[in-house]
Amino acid sequence: KAGVTQTPRYLIKTRGQQVTLSCSPISGHRSVSWYQQTPGQGLQFLFEYFSETQRNKGNFPGRFSGRQFSNSRSEMNVSTLELGDSALYLCASSPGGAVDTEAFFGQGTRLTVV
Amino acid sequence: GQNIDQPTEMTATEGAIVQINCTYQTSGFNGLFWYQQHAGEAPTFLSYNVLDGLEEKGRFSSFLSRSKGYSYLLLKELQMKDSASYLCAVHLRGYSTLTFGKGTMLLVSP
Repeated sequence: KAGVTQTPRYLIKTRGQQVTLSCSPISGHRSVSWYQQTPGQGLQFLFEYFSETQRNKGNFPGRFSGRQFSNSRSEMNVSTLELGDSALYLCASSPGGAVDTEAFFGQGTRLTVV
Repeated sequence: GQNIDQPTEMTATEGAIVQINCTYQTSGFNGLFWYQQHAGEAPTFLSYNVLDGLEEKGRFSSFLSRSKGYSYLLLKELQMKDSASYLCAVHLRGYSTLTFGKGTMLLVSP
């Protein structure tokens, strides 16, 4: 079955712009989590959506937002981009409910803010 | 808050054994994951430990001591393709997400 699909793979934006990233989870998975990965900080949790509702949120400013659609596809949006937002953005899908099974990661979207 | 520590880098030789340690201080610990991530690729699942002890899966084994807040990933018969970043991640009770360490970059040389 198809894995987690993230689009686009690469993106270059200018400071002050906004960006939307997309994640299509594995078919049947209802939970989608978003992470930011940078060399200095590693993988940091942004938020998690389950059945179209935000279930958990990390410590990121309000410029970072997300949503999930009825087909479980999720988008995250970053407004008023800053240079420090340059990172690899990963989404992970899991069946939902308890996290006692592995989460499957997408290839990520590499965002560069110039 | 939570604190997860792993060495930043390790080097080893092909065919050898390497142990990557992970220590954590968290409240509400439920279990610990290990992921492997090759450069430019998605992290892939290696293991999940909930109970104390060693779990073996082929060349890879993972150990957990809940009382000591300690885990390690043991890689045997190292191959060049094992050069990657190894991520330790904690799952907390009541949450459906993971808290990751910064990862250990392993370089395997001939």
